[in-house]
Amino acid sequence: DQQVKQNSPSLSVQEGRISILNCDYTNSMFDYFLWYKKYPAEGPTFLISISSIKDKNEDGRFTVFLNKSAKHLSLHIVPSQPGDSAVYFCAGGSNYKLTFGKGTLLTVNP
Amino acid sequence: DSGVTQTPKHLITATGQRVTLRCSPRSGDLSVYWYQQSLDQGLQFLIQYYNGEERAKGNILERFSAQQFPDLHSELNLSSLELGDSALYFCASSGTTVPNSPLHFGNGTRLTVT
Repeated sequence: DQQVKQNSPSLSVQEGRISILNCDYTNSMFDYFLWYKKYPAEGPTFLISISSIKDKNEDGRFTVFLNKSAKHLSLHIVPSQPGDSAVYFCAGGSNYKLTFGKGTLLTVNP
Repeated sequence: DSGVTQTPKHLITATGQRVTLRCSPRSGDLSVYWYQQSLDQGLQFLIQYYNGEERAKGNILERFSAQQFPDLHSELNLSSLELGDSALYFCASSGTTVPNSPLHFGNGTRLTVT
């Protein structure tokens, strides 16, 4: 039972354009969501989070949108930079447990 | 650098063997989490400790066990290893008891069971 789904294994965008990474979830008990970025041979690093009572959170070039009725969240990166090329994981949280998706590989082409 | 240290970086062992993975959390962090990432899988939550006590348990097999010591480092013990246990094992730590606080991950231990 995959509670967090990232249906796009990969995404390729041009430098300077917007990157939109999507995530769907099935567990209504999640009360917060986080996005992590992972470079090869490194552990995931925290990017941005959003509480389930909000629909948007912004931090610099990164914005996360949450649509609770659709059980969908998305991460927008504007403008995209080559250094953003990494695997992005979304995760839903309840109590002390985080459930991660399988990740989306973002490639930003110069 | 997240400040979380995991050793060893790589481990190759045979089926049926037992291994111990070690994690030192960021200075001051009381919570330690263990995650498993198998090929083409997301990060699977295994277990969490807070200040030496087990706080939450995920899909951790009975062959696996963990503990957190008084100096806050943690060890994950994997026994009777099977080929399917080959994976990246990540440790993460957190500095607060707030559930939605970000986790700080180490660089992982890559376990290969042959």
